[in-house]
Amino acid sequence: SQTIHQWPATLVQPVGSPLSLECTVEGTSNPNLYWYRQAAGRGLQLLFYSVGIGQISSEVPQNLSASRPQDRQFILSSKKLLLSDSGFYLCAWSVLRPDNSPLHFGNGTRLTVT
Amino acid sequence: DQQVKQNSPSLSVQEGRISILNCDYTNSMFDYFLWYKKYPAEGPTFLISISSIKDKNEDGRFTVFLNKSAKHLSLHIVPSQPGDSAVYFCAAGSGAGSYQLTFGKGTKLSVIP
Repeated sequence: SQTIHQWPATLVQPVGSPLSLECTVEGTSNPNLYWYRQAAGRGLQLLFYSVGIGQISSEVPQNLSASRPQDRQFILSSKKLLLSDSGFYLCAWSVLRPDNSPLHFGNGTRLTVT
Repeated sequence: DQQVKQNSPSLSVQEGRISILNCDYTNSMFDYFLWYKKYPAEGPTFLISISSIKDKNEDGRFTVFLNKSAKHLSLHIVPSQPGDSAVYFCAAGSGAGSYQLTFGKGTKLSVIP
């Protein structure tokens, strides 16, 4: 069966510090991978998605970047965190596009930037 | 500009009764809709979906209704069970090769035993 691992579960970082969140998927090959964020009082917002190794599409211009160094690994990074980067970050995968297969989410990372 | 709106942040229902969660959208390009359920400390899980060519889709105790003219969809849970207590997210997307899903803010359902 397929599983998705996302860590850490919670993170408190000072403004200006770097960020690296990692997500790995097991049990499937060549998945579509996604990073979503839920800010306070907002819905889930798609930040990045990837359809293959080294292929990253950004949906929202921001202070963050994403990389996919391996087929089942997706990393969210920032060189310098802002207060507005606080939120709940979710990694997800799907077999096909979201209109043809559901998203499978990790348990998320609660990031607080102080 | 919220394209997918869940106007009720919370809903309480007695066990055994019907739960109705509502969702409105503004973008007429949306042609498929999904509901996800989220328990605390877990990621959302897919519940049920509906394409714009249908007005109803049923899966066990869960039924989603779509009213395209009103740009409104609803999720019915019958009968409601305490294990259904969770946050429910409505999401919408348009085909044509898009990977984007637009989510609502969620509605917290509490089913009272």
